[in-house]
Amino acid sequence: AQSVTQLDSQVPVFEEAPVELRCNYSSSVSVYLFWYVQYPNQGLQLLLKYLSGSTLVESINGFEAEFNKSQTSFHLRKPSVHISDTAEYFCAVRRAGAGSYQLTFGKGTKLSVIP
Amino acid sequence: ETGVTQSPTHLIKTRGQQVTLRCSSQSGHNTVSWYQQALGQGPQFIFQYYREEENGRGNFPPRFSGLQFPNYSSELNVNALELDDSALYLCASSLGLAGGPEETQYFGPGTRLLVL
Repeated sequence: AQSVTQLDSQVPVFEEAPVELRCNYSSSVSVYLFWYVQYPNQGLQLLLKYLSGSTLVESINGFEAEFNKSQTSFHLRKPSVHISDTAEYFCAVRRAGAGSYQLTFGKGTKLSVIP
Repeated sequence: ETGVTQSPTHLIKTRGQQVTLRCSSQSGHNTVSWYQQALGQGPQFIFQYYREEENGRGNFPPRFSGLQFPNYSSELNVNALELDDSALYLCASSLGLAGGPEETQYFGPGTRLLVL
């Protein structure tokens, strides 16, 4: 079984400041890692994912995350946030390989960008 | 190409009643997963259907059941509703096994269920 811990439930940050949202996971098998974003009253949108290869993955809107196997972490970072980044961010893991596509989510981190 | 759609958007039921939630997969997707997101929590996996067969189930009681139809749309049925069933129910579709193990799940906007 897998589990995900998002260490911060809420993160306030000023506009144009950098931000890091932390995610740690636990698993006895290889996993794929994901970050999803949820805007108010909406479903989840995939932000970025790590499957294999380069440990640094990037999204089209400036977010990046780095897979650190030794620390079992997959922290999300952005060097300069915008008001429009205000949302809830969920880290998720899935067992690597074929078969069940069950995602295990963390409890989420609410990012509030302050003008 | 249409995205994942869910209906209804909101629903109010009373304890003990039954409810059916519906999901239309993204075009070409043959795998559907359902998740429950309680207030202030991350989504929790309920079950998954691949080509009309259940292909994995989370830690939910049997009163949570599902169906997938030949057109790959899906239903989530919940019997004997309890107050704790109040949540946002999310449906996600993917290409499943046909697309390879890395296939991404695409989520619908969800159905918000309130049980009184």
